[in-house]
Amino acid sequence: GAGVSQTPSNKVTEKGKYVELRCDPISGHTALYWYRQSLGQGPEFLIYFQGTGAADDSGLPNDRFFAVRPEGSVSTLKIQRTERGDSAVYLCASSLTRGRSPLHFGNGTRLTVT
Amino acid sequence: GQQVMQIPQYQHVQEGEDFTTYCNSSTTLSNIQWYKQRPGGHPVFLIQLVKSGEVKKQKRLTFQFGEAKKNSSLHITATQTTDVGTYFCAAQSNFGNEKLTFGTGTRLTIIP
Repeated sequence: GAGVSQTPSNKVTEKGKYVELRCDPISGHTALYWYRQSLGQGPEFLIYFQGTGAADDSGLPNDRFFAVRPEGSVSTLKIQRTERGDSAVYLCASSLTRGRSPLHFGNGTRLTVT
Repeated sequence: GQQVMQIPQYQHVQEGEDFTTYCNSSTTLSNIQWYKQRPGGHPVFLIQLVKSGEVKKQKRLTFQFGEAKKNSSLHITATQTTDVGTYFCAAQSNFGNEKLTFGTGTRLTIIP
């Protein structure tokens, strides 16, 4: 079946612009995670959704970052006033249930802020 | 916050040699998962360990969870070129918090 889909695969934007990154999880997966990965580093947790609600957003670096999942399926990560330090691969993952379930990752969105 | 460290950061081995990566947490864990990320790819789930002292095997891969549930290891016997990639442990501190914290990773390269 279809895996986790992330769009766009690449995004180049200018410093100060607004970007939206989209994640379409595996059908039926209730949990959805956003991670950020810089070159040579492990995935850094940003936010976790259980259904429509953000169960844990402790990883969002500041108030420029916001994520939504209005219908409990597709999620959008929104970044305002982008900075060069936001450049990274943004990974989305979904899992079947909450807790102790394997994460299924998408291919990521590579964000470059110039 | 919770920190998950892995050693070594890099490992270069001759094909056929064994490889081990170690994962250490600053806190007691509910469970630990292992992922493999090929160059240019995304992390792919390998296995989950839940019980203290648990050992699981997948062909040439052996995974172990420490007795105190604060550390874990992955051992690969007789490495092959297909084993190339970065291996991450990912830790969940307690069942009430589903946040999965990834380790720093060990990058494995194979010399044919």
